[in-house]
Amino acid sequence: AQSVTQLDSHVSVSEGTPVLLRCNYSSSYSPSLFWYVQHPNKGLQLLLKYTSAATLVKGINGFEAEFKKSETSFHLTKPSAHMSDAAEYFCVVMLTGTASKLTFGTGTRLQVTL
Amino acid sequence: EAGVAQSPRYKIIEKRQSVAFWCNPISGHATLYWYQQILGQGPKLLIQFQNNGVVDDSQLPKDRFSAERLKGVDSTLKIQPAKLEDSAVYLCASSLSPEADTQYFGPGTRLTVL
Repeated sequence: AQSVTQLDSHVSVSEGTPVLLRCNYSSSYSPSLFWYVQHPNKGLQLLLKYTSAATLVKGINGFEAEFKKSETSFHLTKPSAHMSDAAEYFCVVMLTGTASKLTFGTGTRLQVTL
Repeated sequence: EAGVAQSPRYKIIEKRQSVAFWCNPISGHATLYWYQQILGQGPKLLIQFQNNGVVDDSQLPKDRFSAERLKGVDSTLKIQPAKLEDSAVYLCASSLSPEADTQYFGPGTRLTVL
Protein backbone atom coordinates (compact mmCIF):
# COMPACT_ATOMS: atom_id res chain seq x y z
CA ALA A 1 0.00 0.00 0.00
CA GLN A 2 1.11 3.55 -0.62
CA SER A 3 0.92 6.34 1.94
CA VAL A 4 2.46 9.63 2.98
CA THR A 5 3.12 11.01 6.44
CA GLN A 6 3.37 14.71 7.01
CA LEU A 7 5.44 15.11 10.11
CA ASP A 8 4.10 18.49 11.23
CA SER A 9 0.46 19.50 11.41
CA HIS A 10 1.37 23.15 11.92
CA VAL A 11 4.47 25.18 11.05
CA SER A 12 4.99 28.85 11.90
CA VAL A 13 7.74 30.98 10.34
CA SER A 14 8.56 34.66 10.15
CA GLU A 15 8.33 36.44 6.83
CA GLY A 16 11.65 36.27 5.02
CA THR A 17 12.86 33.12 6.79
CA PRO A 18 13.18 29.65 5.22
CA VAL A 19 10.28 27.22 5.04
CA LEU A 20 10.60 23.45 5.57
CA LEU A 21 7.55 21.19 5.39
CA ARG A 22 8.38 17.54 5.95
CA CYS A 23 6.91 14.50 4.20
CA ASN A 24 7.83 10.82 4.29
CA TYR A 25 6.34 8.32 1.89
CA SER A 26 5.74 4.60 1.76
CA SER A 27 5.34 2.84 -1.57
CA SER A 28 6.12 -0.60 -2.91
CA TYR A 29 6.77 0.80 -6.35
CA SER A 30 8.53 3.83 -7.76
CA PRO A 31 6.14 6.57 -6.73
CA SER A 32 5.07 9.84 -8.22
CA LEU A 33 5.01 12.49 -5.52
CA PHE A 34 3.32 15.86 -5.39
CA TRP A 35 2.85 18.87 -3.21
CA TYR A 36 -0.48 20.70 -3.39
CA VAL A 37 -1.42 23.96 -1.69
CA GLN A 38 -4.89 24.93 -0.51
CA HIS A 39 -5.70 28.53 0.32
CA PRO A 40 -8.85 29.21 2.36
CA ASN A 41 -12.03 28.70 0.33
CA LYS A 42 -10.03 27.89 -2.79
CA GLY A 43 -9.33 24.69 -4.67
CA LEU A 44 -6.17 22.65 -4.40
CA GLN A 45 -3.34 23.93 -6.59
CA LEU A 46 -0.39 21.86 -7.75
CA LEU A 47 2.92 23.26 -6.48
CA LEU A 48 5.28 20.69 -7.94
CA LYS A 49 5.60 17.03 -8.88
CA TYR A 50 8.25 14.32 -8.96
CA THR A 51 7.86 11.61 -11.59
CA SER A 52 11.23 9.79 -11.56
CA ALA A 53 13.21 12.41 -13.44
CA ALA A 54 15.48 14.86 -11.58
CA THR A 55 15.41 14.34 -7.83
CA LEU A 56 15.38 18.09 -7.13
CA VAL A 57 12.09 19.47 -8.36
CA LYS A 58 11.31 23.14 -8.73
CA GLY A 59 7.76 24.39 -8.52
CA ILE A 60 5.78 27.56 -8.59
CA ASN A 61 6.23 30.54 -6.25
CA GLY A 62 9.83 29.64 -5.38
CA PHE A 63 9.09 26.27 -3.79
CA GLU A 64 11.17 23.19 -4.39
CA ALA A 65 11.36 19.63 -3.10
CA GLU A 66 14.00 16.92 -3.11
CA PHE A 67 13.21 13.23 -3.58
CA LYS A 68 15.47 11.14 -1.32
CA LYS A 69 14.90 7.44 -1.87
CA SER A 70 17.30 6.38 0.90
CA GLU A 71 15.32 8.43 3.42
CA THR A 72 11.89 7.90 1.76
CA SER A 73 11.38 11.63 2.05
CA PHE A 74 10.05 14.42 -0.14
CA HIS A 75 10.39 17.59 1.92
CA LEU A 76 9.13 20.95 0.62
CA THR A 77 11.33 24.02 1.01
CA LYS A 78 11.39 27.71 0.17
CA PRO A 79 14.32 30.03 0.91
CA SER A 80 12.24 32.99 2.03
CA ALA A 81 8.62 32.90 3.22
CA HIS A 82 6.08 35.47 2.10
CA MET A 83 2.82 36.35 3.80
CA SER A 84 0.92 34.98 0.80
CA ASP A 85 2.41 31.52 1.44
CA ALA A 86 0.15 31.05 4.46
CA ALA A 87 -2.05 28.08 3.55
CA GLU A 88 -2.54 24.32 3.99
CA TYR A 89 -0.01 22.13 2.20
CA PHE A 90 -0.58 18.50 1.24
CA CYS A 91 1.99 15.91 0.33
CA VAL A 92 0.53 13.39 -2.11
CA VAL A 93 1.63 10.04 -3.52
CA MET A 94 0.33 8.50 -6.71
CA LEU A 95 0.80 4.95 -7.93
CA THR A 96 0.77 5.32 -11.70
CA GLY A 97 -1.17 2.85 -13.72
CA THR A 98 -4.39 2.47 -15.57
CA ALA A 99 -6.35 4.15 -12.81
CA SER A 100 -4.00 6.50 -11.03
CA LYS A 101 -4.99 7.25 -7.46
CA LEU A 102 -3.87 10.16 -5.30
CA THR A 103 -3.31 9.43 -1.63
CA PHE A 104 -3.12 12.62 0.43
CA GLY A 105 -1.32 13.29 3.66
CA THR A 106 -3.15 14.94 6.53
CA GLY A 107 -1.79 18.38 5.67
CA THR A 108 0.51 20.97 7.22
CA ARG A 109 -0.84 24.40 8.02
CA LEU A 110 1.81 27.05 7.33
CA GLN A 111 1.52 30.27 9.28
CA VAL A 112 3.67 33.26 8.28
CA THR A 113 4.15 36.05 10.77
CA LEU A 114 5.58 39.55 10.39
CA GLU B 1 -8.64 28.20 -19.90
CA ALA B 2 -11.59 27.80 -17.54
CA GLY B 3 -10.99 25.67 -14.49
CA VAL B 4 -13.14 23.05 -12.81
CA ALA B 5 -16.47 24.53 -11.79
CA GLN B 6 -18.55 23.34 -8.84
CA SER B 7 -21.87 24.38 -7.36
CA PRO B 8 -23.19 25.16 -4.91
CA ARG B 9 -20.23 26.47 -2.92
CA TYR B 10 -22.00 26.00 0.40
CA LYS B 11 -24.94 23.87 1.55
CA ILE B 12 -26.57 23.39 4.93
CA ILE B 13 -29.11 20.60 5.41
CA GLU B 14 -30.74 18.61 8.17
CA LYS B 15 -29.77 14.98 8.69
CA ARG B 16 -31.80 12.51 6.66
CA GLN B 17 -32.34 15.09 3.90
CA SER B 18 -30.91 14.66 0.44
CA VAL B 19 -28.41 16.87 -1.36
CA ALA B 20 -26.75 17.03 -4.78
CA PHE B 21 -23.54 18.59 -5.97
CA TRP B 22 -22.62 19.49 -9.52
CA CYS B 23 -19.25 19.55 -11.26
CA ASN B 24 -18.17 20.75 -14.70
CA PRO B 25 -14.61 19.62 -15.53
CA ILE B 26 -12.07 21.32 -17.73
CA SER B 27 -13.03 20.99 -21.38
CA GLY B 28 -11.53 17.91 -22.99
CA HIS B 29 -10.70 16.16 -19.72
CA ALA B 30 -11.87 12.57 -19.93
CA THR B 31 -11.32 11.66 -16.29
CA LEU B 32 -13.30 13.09 -13.41
CA TYR B 33 -12.87 12.52 -9.67
CA TRP B 34 -14.94 13.23 -6.56
CA TYR B 35 -13.13 13.59 -3.24
CA GLN B 36 -14.39 14.03 0.30
CA GLN B 37 -12.31 16.23 2.62
CA ILE B 38 -13.29 16.06 6.25
CA LEU B 39 -12.06 18.92 8.44
CA GLY B 40 -8.46 18.36 9.50
CA GLN B 41 -7.85 15.57 6.99
CA GLY B 42 -6.58 15.23 3.45
CA PRO B 43 -9.01 14.60 0.60
CA LYS B 44 -10.16 11.01 0.11
CA LEU B 45 -11.18 9.68 -3.30
CA LEU B 46 -14.85 8.68 -3.49
CA ILE B 47 -15.26 7.85 -7.17
CA GLN B 48 -13.39 8.12 -10.47
CA PHE B 49 -14.99 8.30 -13.93
CA GLN B 50 -13.43 7.72 -17.32
CA ASN B 51 -15.80 9.46 -19.76
CA ASN B 52 -19.20 8.22 -18.54
CA GLY B 53 -17.97 4.95 -17.03
CA VAL B 54 -16.95 4.28 -13.43
CA VAL B 55 -13.28 3.31 -13.01
CA ASP B 56 -13.14 3.12 -9.22
CA ASP B 57 -15.90 3.53 -6.64
CA SER B 58 -14.42 1.31 -3.96
CA GLN B 59 -14.49 4.10 -1.34
CA LEU B 60 -18.02 5.33 -2.13
CA PRO B 61 -20.61 4.51 0.56
CA LYS B 62 -23.08 3.13 -1.92
CA ASP B 63 -25.94 2.79 0.52
CA ARG B 64 -26.30 6.57 0.59
CA PHE B 65 -23.98 8.08 -2.02
CA SER B 66 -24.46 7.96 -5.77
CA ALA B 67 -22.77 9.69 -8.69
CA GLU B 68 -23.27 9.88 -12.39
CA ARG B 69 -21.64 11.37 -15.47
CA LEU B 70 -24.22 10.58 -18.10
CA LYS B 71 -22.78 12.40 -21.12
CA GLY B 72 -19.14 12.12 -20.14
CA VAL B 73 -18.86 15.79 -19.24
CA ASP B 74 -20.73 17.16 -16.19
CA SER B 75 -21.17 15.06 -13.09
CA THR B 76 -23.45 15.04 -10.08
CA LEU B 77 -22.82 13.55 -6.66
CA LYS B 78 -25.83 12.83 -4.47
CA ILE B 79 -26.22 11.93 -0.83
CA GLN B 80 -29.51 10.43 0.34
CA PRO B 81 -30.11 10.38 3.26
CA ALA B 82 -27.40 12.57 4.74
CA LYS B 83 -25.76 11.81 8.09
CA LEU B 84 -23.93 14.13 10.46
CA GLU B 85 -20.61 12.51 9.52
CA ASP B 86 -21.11 13.56 5.90
CA SER B 87 -20.24 17.15 6.84
CA ALA B 88 -17.18 17.85 4.71
CA VAL B 89 -15.90 19.65 1.63
CA TYR B 90 -16.64 17.77 -1.56
CA LEU B 91 -14.01 18.37 -4.20
CA CYS B 92 -14.25 17.65 -7.89
CA ALA B 93 -11.12 17.21 -10.01
CA SER B 94 -10.40 16.36 -13.62
CA SER B 95 -7.49 15.17 -15.71
CA LEU B 96 -6.83 14.50 -19.37
CA SER B 97 -6.76 10.74 -18.86
CA PRO B 98 -6.50 8.17 -16.05
CA GLU B 99 -2.76 7.96 -16.62
CA ALA B 100 -2.24 11.74 -16.47
CA ASP B 101 -0.24 12.68 -13.42
CA THR B 102 -1.84 16.07 -12.86
CA GLN B 103 -5.34 16.54 -11.52
CA TYR B 104 -7.01 19.96 -11.52
CA PHE B 105 -9.29 20.73 -8.61
CA GLY B 106 -12.41 22.83 -8.30
CA PRO B 107 -13.09 25.13 -5.32
CA GLY B 108 -15.25 22.52 -3.59
CA THR B 109 -18.69 22.44 -1.97
CA ARG B 110 -18.79 22.79 1.80
CA LEU B 111 -21.61 20.65 3.22
CA THR B 112 -22.86 21.07 6.77
CA VAL B 113 -25.30 18.46 8.08
CA LEU B 114 -27.19 19.54 11.21
